[in-house]
Amino acid sequence: DAGVIQSPRHEVTEMGQEVTLRCKPISGHNSLFWYRQTMMRGLELLIYFNNNVPIDDSGMPEDRFSAKMPNASFSTLKIQPSEPRDSAVYFCASSELAGGPNNEQFFGPGTRLTVL
Amino acid sequence: AQSVTQLGSHVSVSEGALVLLRCNYSSSVPPYLFWYVQYPNQGLQLLLKYTTGATLVKGINGFEAEFKKSETSFHLTKPSAHMSDAAEYFCAVGGSSASKIIFGSGTRLSIRP
Repeated sequence: DAGVIQSPRHEVTEMGQEVTLRCKPISGHNSLFWYRQTMMRGLELLIYFNNNVPIDDSGMPEDRFSAKMPNASFSTLKIQPSEPRDSAVYFCASSELAGGPNNEQFFGPGTRLTVL
Repeated sequence: AQSVTQLGSHVSVSEGALVLLRCNYSSSVPPYLFWYVQYPNQGLQLLLKYTTGATLVKGINGFEAEFKKSETSFHLTKPSAHMSDAAEYFCAVGGSSASKIIFGSGTRLSIRP
């Protein structure tokens, strides 16, 4: 298995631009998580999905952030408009259905976002 | 509700010395406990996990952790540190009734030659 795939690996953009981060979870996994990691705040859960349905988006910082999961093999995290304070590493992770005995999460390599 | 506390944001040990990273948890349901490691510029990867059964759990790279319910702890140890162990380590808690895993704030492990 290729593991969790994220694209792009690096993104540099200017303030005000739209940014779309992409994630392909591990085949057969039913839960998908988006995290943000910064030096100041550490690892933050932004949103997670079970069976393509958003379950908890309380970590999404503002309305500028949105996430979708149109099918079991693809998810996007969009920031519009982007701001310099959004600069961070964004991780996608997937697991078998959250709450089960095998609910360890498998992380992708991350997308390093820099907003100038 | 669940939470995790990692004691010490930074731990430094000499090569060959014992590694001890501390983790305490709070959980209103029987916990599942995890340790993850993050090497520079990489995602997190699972070191070991406890769900049920034997309380001493062995993981990759010689690490192990012991679940102590009475102390609500799940400390990570390794008898002899290697330079390659330098990384950030995250403790996390989930559970059969929990909808997600809660991560601690992480402990950065440095190894002195």
